[in-house]
Amino acid sequence: DGGITQSPKYLFRKEGQNVTLSCEQNLNHDAMYWYRQDPGQGLRLIYYSQIVNDFQKGDIAEGYSVSREKKESFPLTVTSAQKNPTAFYLCASSLDREKGRELFFGEGSRLTVL
Amino acid sequence: AQTVTQSQPEMSVQEAETVTLSCTYDTSESDYYLFWYKQPPSRQMILVIRQEAYKQQNATENRFSVNFQKAAKSFSLKISDSQLGDAAMYFCAYRIYNQGGKLIFGQGTELSVKP
Repeated sequence: DGGITQSPKYLFRKEGQNVTLSCEQNLNHDAMYWYRQDPGQGLRLIYYSQIVNDFQKGDIAEGYSVSREKKESFPLTVTSAQKNPTAFYLCASSLDREKGRELFFGEGSRLTVL
Repeated sequence: AQTVTQSQPEMSVQEAETVTLSCTYDTSESDYYLFWYKQPPSRQMILVIRQEAYKQQNATENRFSVNFQKAAKSFSLKISDSQLGDAAMYFCAYRIYNQGGKLIFGQGTELSVKP
């Protein structure tokens, strides 16, 4: 089955540690996105990538980093510089950036900072 | 800047009844797409329905339909014959071409369905 796989589903981190969230898709999509979800705020865009080896900052990129070395993979690193990292993180992909195309989402990763 | 607003944080409906979730948006574009996504307790976002701004006919998908009022920039979702499985968080979203084609989301409406 085609889809997006995020791992781990739950992650706990101590303050000062970097953690990496995995996102893999087998839909052959060019565009990939990372969103952060907080209660009452909807989803906010962290980073996006339209093609391999290229990525751009979204609306709340501070304290995060990404890479896009393979078409199917778009990992997100939450660095110690992120002041409030506890949140639910969703990875998404789309065939391209055309407005009519839907985004497909993974099941998300819940990060808790202890 | 494009914004999406959902003014109802929570809604409740009796099973088999009809409920309407509200969404307004702001944009200066003339050609765009609007979406409703459902996020059940599993947290995976699922597309419910989409609407192209140029199409005057309201989109429908089985029990789900929209009331798209372009001049008023309103995009409400109607769920008919509500089922227990419809209980979820619903997000209205607008897709732009810039910034990699990102979706701009509203704050969400949590729908509960009473048996």
